[in-house]
Amino acid sequence: DQQVKQNSPSLSVQEGRISILNCDYTNSMFDYFLWYKKYPAEGPTFLISISSIKDKNEDGRFTAFLNKSAKHLSLHIVPSQPGDSAVYFCAASARDAGGTSYGKLTFGQGTILTVHP
Amino acid sequence: DVKVTQSSRYLVKRTGEKVFLECVQDMDHENMFWYRQDPGLGLRLIYFSYDVKMKEKGDIPEGYSVSREKKERFSLILESASTNQTSMYLCASSPRPPLQETQYFGPGTRLLVL
Repeated sequence: DQQVKQNSPSLSVQEGRISILNCDYTNSMFDYFLWYKKYPAEGPTFLISISSIKDKNEDGRFTAFLNKSAKHLSLHIVPSQPGDSAVYFCAASARDAGGTSYGKLTFGQGTILTVHP
Repeated sequence: DVKVTQSSRYLVKRTGEKVFLECVQDMDHENMFWYRQDPGLGLRLIYFSYDVKMKEKGDIPEGYSVSREKKERFSLILESASTNQTSMYLCASSPRPPLQETQYFGPGTRLLVL
């Protein structure tokens, strides 16, 4: 049962254009969402996060969007650069009935982004 | 700067062997996690720990156990390795609130079980 889904295994864009990575979730208890980037032979690194009380969070070229009613989040990269080529994972966090999460994350399958010069 | 290190980058083991994967973090984080990454499946949580000597099962704990005797060290143990445990194993750590959701990952251990 995949609670967090990234339905596009890969995405190819031209340098300078916008990259849009998408993620859907099913668990309505998720209240915090993150995006990680992973290069080959390295561990994932945190990119940007968004809380369920927001619908947008911007950090330089990266913007995270959240549509709670659709249970959908997206990551926009503008402008895309060849160095952005990596695997992107979305992840979600939920708190239990006592309000504790222990930082546990549920990850999507990942999307391979390739930015062509 | 947070550093999470894993004892090996590559490991080759035989079916039935006992395998230890070690992870050490230097930022005094309370939470530590073990994931495996497989193509098309993303990162799946095996076990996590929110304190010394505490452990919780993740989504795929079967065939694995863990040990956390010291705050900075979290070990993953494959009691009897099988070929379906061939994978990339990633360790992560995170602090307690308010930033507990942001996890810091090690470089990963690629394990091949023959």
